[in-house]
Amino acid sequence: EAEVAQSPRYKITEKSQAVAFWCDPISGHATLYWYRQILGQGPELLVQFQDESVVDDSQLPKDRFSAERLKGVDSTLKIQPAELGDSAMYLCASSLVTTRGQETQYFGPGTRLLVL
Amino acid sequence: GQQVMQIPQYQHVQEGEDFTTYCNSSTTLSNIQWYKQRPGGHPVFLIQLVKSGEVKKQKRLTFQFGEAKKNSSLHITATQTTDVGTYFCAGQETSGSRLTFGEGTQLTVNP
Repeated sequence: EAEVAQSPRYKITEKSQAVAFWCDPISGHATLYWYRQILGQGPELLVQFQDESVVDDSQLPKDRFSAERLKGVDSTLKIQPAELGDSAMYLCASSLVTTRGQETQYFGPGTRLLVL
Repeated sequence: GQQVMQIPQYQHVQEGEDFTTYCNSSTTLSNIQWYKQRPGGHPVFLIQLVKSGEVKKQKRLTFQFGEAKKNSSLHITATQTTDVGTYFCAGQETSGSRLTFGEGTQLTVNP
């Protein structure tokens, strides 16, 4: 069964450093999402792509976060500079809308970030 | 903005007991989805409810969407240790809009 791939799985960095996360969605999925999940909370959407275009980045802290999906396939999320409060799980998801209009999001394993 | 609230935050049950988690949205939803996240894992899609008053069953799991399309519930009959995890509801105000997740209900099952 096809899966969403993410790397790295774990990242430890010091505050003020730059970090980058990579996501490869399920083949053929046009919509890609980046979520942040703080321990004990539900995922919070950071950015949504439709192919290579940003559909929703209203919750993305644009002073330090950036995301791109240049060819409409894989995607990179960057944080520069990282702050202590950025410690969280960063989840990537992709989805496909069926002919019946149902959309299912498939999540990757996530990147767990710890900022020291 | 839209808020999705879930209760309870935690639930501890003995194996064989039933479990219910409730989800309430501050706005009317186009659809509601439920996800399960095992400890250390990632959210896994369980089901999507679209119609007012809809009830769907998956083996021991029963999902309901309220008549006003603002609330939902997940009921597990006769819990098993494999049901352990956090159950999230997530709502969309319109099809294709952002999915807003609740805080989740963390279920532990004592054997």
